[in-house]
Amino acid sequence: GQNIDQPTEMTATEGAIVQINCTYQTSGFNGLFWYQQHAGEAPTFLSYNVLDGLEEKGRFSSFLSRSKGYSYLLLKELQMKDSASYLCAGMDSNYQLIWGAGTKLIIKP
Amino acid sequence: DARVTQTPRHKVTEMGQEVTMRCQPILGHNTVFWYRQTMMQGLELLAYFRNRAPLDDSGMPKDRFSAEMPDATLATLKIQPSEPRDSAVYFCASGREGGGTEAFFGQGTRLTVV
Repeated sequence: GQNIDQPTEMTATEGAIVQINCTYQTSGFNGLFWYQQHAGEAPTFLSYNVLDGLEEKGRFSSFLSRSKGYSYLLLKELQMKDSASYLCAGMDSNYQLIWGAGTKLIIKP
Repeated sequence: DARVTQTPRHKVTEMGQEVTMRCQPILGHNTVFWYRQTMMQGLELLAYFRNRAPLDDSGMPKDRFSAEMPDATLATLKIQPSEPRDSAVYFCASGREGGGTEAFFGQGTRLTVV
């Protein structure tokens, strides 16, 4: 079966660094996506990884290990506006996205 | 500024009534997804279209839900009859087929069935 696992909730302090982990199992693999979703809003695209390694984009970085079926999203210099849910999604061989339940990130001052 | 447009943004209806949600995908996108999101279930895929053809609607309760794409600029999701358990946010997303191409989400329709 296909499955995406990520923690339900995490708490971090403003200005700090947080790493949100995701493990995936998909039928075939065409990449791993991270989305951000603020409460009451639509998910918005953050990053895409299809090759092993780290992709850096400003304060956000995403890492992929295909052999381990593992990815993480790293958020640096946390700001209060980063409080949101972070959704991990794997793309299978049919180019369908298999979604995790999301990690709710709470930022404290 | 290309975006996915969903209507209505909010809908309150009585149990048993028909509900129709509409989505205008981004021009040039050939894949369309309908998702339902609740606190308990997260994002659930209801239907997936590629080039207007339905590819996967296994996540959709067929007895009451139906999804169509009458043309490339319109996707619809209907619930008939609606039930209180259908209360959720329904998102439409569109994209271009292929790896590495992200899905763009509409703002969603918040449905409440009383």
